[in-house]
Amino acid sequence: SQQGEEDPQALSIQEGENATMNCSYKTSINNLQWYRQNSGRGLVHLILIRSNEREKHSGRLRVTLDTSKKSSSLLITASRAADTASYFCATLNSGNTPLVFGKGTRLSVIA
Amino acid sequence: NAGVTQTPKFRVLKTGQSMTLLCAQDMNHEYMYWYRQDPGMGLRLIHYSVGEGTTAKGEVPDGYNVSRLKKQNFLLGLESAAPSQTSVYFCASSYAERETQYFGPGTRLLVL
Repeated sequence: SQQGEEDPQALSIQEGENATMNCSYKTSINNLQWYRQNSGRGLVHLILIRSNEREKHSGRLRVTLDTSKKSSSLLITASRAADTASYFCATLNSGNTPLVFGKGTRLSVIA
Repeated sequence: NAGVTQTPKFRVLKTGQSMTLLCAQDMNHEYMYWYRQDPGMGLRLIHYSVGEGTTAKGEVPDGYNVSRLKKQNFLLGLESAAPSQTSVYFCASSYAERETQYFGPGTRLLVL
């Protein structure tokens, strides 16, 4: 059963614009992770944010976490064509059952 | 470091045939995982292992078996393949349960 649900399912933007993807979940979490998957490839880890953190940055990526709303967002600034991929959030709940992945957001960045 | 590797990359099976998918990691990780990815379904956990000699069921374990005889290897077996097992299979590993997972490139399986 999926814990995290990404929104939107698909997003198409112009190069240079910012892209925002959201993830909502249902139960208390230990941490939330974002992954990227290029077409035909395995997933690559982007950022891990713990339940006691509110915001993390990595290069052009910014992740926020609002545990009161049970939601997270991933912002990609100044997007590039190479950012075209699917983005998944994954949650590790407080019961320490294995990581649960959402269905992903497909991002298309048009040059 | 090769990271996580998967063998084979692509396979076609007939219904009822058996096969084993091999996952290997060279990062000395304790935890290893097998997922399947189907269109519109995201990743679903099949089985996982928290250390050499251990295995546990995930969300969709039926029709699959696994073994972790060596720390660096995690095998996924299909005893009698069914068309519903047509999917892309990913292996992953992590140092600890709460930490980042590292994924292999995937195995595409088509069951006719």
